[in-house]
Amino acid sequence: KAGVTQTPRYLIKTRGQQVTLSCSPISGHRSVSWYQQTPGQGLQFLFEYFSETQRNKGNFPGRFSGRQFSNSRSEMNVSTLELGDSALYLCASSLSGHSNQPQHFGDGTRLSIL
Amino acid sequence: GESVGLHLPTLSVQEGDNSIINCAYSNSASDYFIWYKQESGKGPQFIIDIRSNMDKRQGQRVTVLLNKTVKHLSLQIAATQPGDSAVYFCADLRGSSASKIIFGSGTRLSIRP
Repeated sequence: KAGVTQTPRYLIKTRGQQVTLSCSPISGHRSVSWYQQTPGQGLQFLFEYFSETQRNKGNFPGRFSGRQFSNSRSEMNVSTLELGDSALYLCASSLSGHSNQPQHFGDGTRLSIL
Repeated sequence: GESVGLHLPTLSVQEGDNSIINCAYSNSASDYFIWYKQESGKGPQFIIDIRSNMDKRQGQRVTVLLNKTVKHLSLQIAATQPGDSAVYFCADLRGSSASKIIFGSGTRLSIRP
C-alpha cells in the first residue's frame, strides 16, 4: 500500500508570492492533517480535513488555508509568503482522524522563502 | 500547560548497544502514545504505539514502556545500528482530532562506530 505522498518535495519562493502544496493520503484514509515543522517550534498543527470539511484549525494566520477533495486528496495554500514561513510542511493521514488511530506522515515539502 | 517532553535532546550510543529514549507527559488522561522516527530529509515514520491499558509493547528490536504512575514512557532500541540514527519523538494522542495531538520536541540519536 502506498504511503502518504506530498508534492513538490522542495520549493523556493520569494516574499509576497503564494504557494500550493499537495498531499495524497494513504488509500482508504479520509482524514488529512497538515503540520508545519521548524527547528525552533517543532511540529505545529495547521488544520485537519475530513470528508472535504475542515474539522479543526490551528493557531495560524488566515494566509494559511487548505481544502480537501472528494478523493481525500488535500491541498494547502499559503498566500503573501513571509520569510518566517520557511519550514517543512508535513501532511499526515489516518482512517478517520479519531484519537485512537495512528497518523502516518508523508516526507513533506521543504519550503524556502528568499 | 500540558506538554510532552523529552529528557535529553541528544543521545550518543555505541553501535550494538541498546538505546533508551525517554518521554514525559503531563496529562493523566492521556491514553494513547506513538513513537516516531524522523530521518534527515524525511517525514516522521511510525515506529510503535501503546495504549494506556498496557505497560509494555514490543516490536522488531523496539520496546515501548509506559509508566502511568509517573507519566513517563520510554522507547528501547535493541542492538542499535547505524540506520537507527534519527530524531525520535513521542506523540500524545488525546481528544477527538489531530488538533489535540501533542508532539515531543525530539531526541537526536547518533551512533558511534
